[in-house]
Amino acid sequence: QLQLQESGPGLVKPSETLSLTCTVSGGSISSSSYYWGWIRQPPGKGLEWIGSIFYSGSTYYNPSFKSPVTISVDTSKNQFSLNLRSVTAADTAVYYCARRGPGGSSSIWFDPWGQGTLVTVSS
Amino acid sequence: QSVLTQPPSVSAAPGQKVTISCSGSSSNIGNNYVSWYQQLPGTAPKLLIYDNNKRPSGIPDRFSGSKSGASATLGITGLQTGDEADYYCGTWDSTLSAGVFGGGTKLTVL
Repeated sequence: QLQLQESGPGLVKPSETLSLTCTVSGGSISSSSYYWGWIRQPPGKGLEWIGSIFYSGSTYYNPSFKSPVTISVDTSKNQFSLNLRSVTAADTAVYYCARRGPGGSSSIWFDPWGQGTLVTVSS
Repeated sequence: QSVLTQPPSVSAAPGQKVTISCSGSSSNIGNNYVSWYQQLPGTAPKLLIYDNNKRPSGIPDRFSGSKSGASATLGITGLQTGDEADYYCGTWDSTLSAGVFGGGTKLTVL
């Protein structure tokens, strides 16, 4: 059974970099069928897609994102990571990692999801 | 302001049926597939429906999805108190070049 688990600091200072890692177990991140993604949810608000990555390193990001984003993959560790630079209080959210379904560009869905990790941006 | 519009809340009695709407445009729902998620309090979202009307294994057939034009609908029959949750629709927006979600609908089972 595929499982995903987010890890990283729960508190980040404003203007610094938020870094999270998602560890995949029960399956290989190098599957040719799937992209892997990050989604966040500010407290009491809805979901926001951040970006996705393929095991080869190919990425695509939400152009609406204000903070500079980088998603990377480490196939040797079966992990992928999120870096969000120059964060502000508006980046406070629960961050989820998830596997994107194997459909084409017109089909985007996520299953399964990690349990999520709350990151607070505060001095 | 979400790209996809959902009603903030819906309610129905146990055993009844409820529908949750998700309205978009030709740049998103109108030309792309829709997915639906259930988020129980304090937990991660769970996929209920993908590609407009397909259910992952393990999701009961009480949950159904449909799409017409630039709108989609999630239907839940035989409501149970355990169905109380937030429900989100999602799709790809071809103009924004981004995955987008609705603002979420809180289901109350009275």
